Amino acid sequence: AQSVTQLDSHVSVSEGTPVLLRCNYSSSYSPSLFWYVQHPNKGLQLLLKYTSAATLVKGINGFEAEFKKSETSFHLTKPSAHMSDAAEYFCVVSATYSSASKIIFGSGTRLSIRP
Amino acid sequence: ETGVTQSPTHLIKTRGQQVTLRCSSQSGHNTVSWYQQALGQGPQFIFQYYREEENGRGNFPPRFSGLQFPNYSSELNVNALELDDSALYLCASSLGDRWDTEAFFGQGTRLTVV
Repeated sequence: AQSVTQLDSHVSVSEGTPVLLRCNYSSSYSPSLFWYVQHPNKGLQLLLKYTSAATLVKGINGFEAEFKKSETSFHLTKPSAHMSDAAEYFCVVSATYSSASKIIFGSGTRLSIRP
Repeated sequence: ETGVTQSPTHLIKTRGQQVTLRCSSQSGHNTVSWYQQALGQGPQFIFQYYREEENGRGNFPPRFSGLQFPNYSSELNVNALELDDSALYLCASSLGDRWDTEAFFGQGTRLTVV
């Protein structure tokens, strides 16, 4: 079985300050983990993914995430927030194969950026 | 833009009716997945098709069904619509039957059931 929990429904930071969006997961398989971003009236876009290679994953737009197996976490970070980062962010867990598994999205974290 | 297009963008249906939503995959992609995103929630996986066969399904009743065509475009059909079916329906295409590949999403179809 798999599940994913995004620990914050809303995060607000000032422009230029660090961003931390938290995600915890559980999986019976070796998981693949993703972060997607959803801007208003736009489709979901992949930020980054972890698929059992390097535990520190770098993505687009300066975002990165670290896979910590001992903590079952995959938190998303960015050193300096930009106004254009305001959006909804989803943490996603899946297995590599198996029709018995599913792709599970978290409930989302809305990121607001204060000027 | 991802190259994944969905139609229509908005739709209003009456409870009990049937609806068909359409998705055109990104060129070269042979896998399509469908998701339901209720307001304020994350997308929920409905099912996935790989080379015209269903290869994964989420916790949705049989009145949610799908098709994938030889050109890899796809349809989502929902019968006996219920008010709770009101949501944004997202289609995503990808390459191959691995679940860890990047999916490219369309902008969705907003379905309202009244």
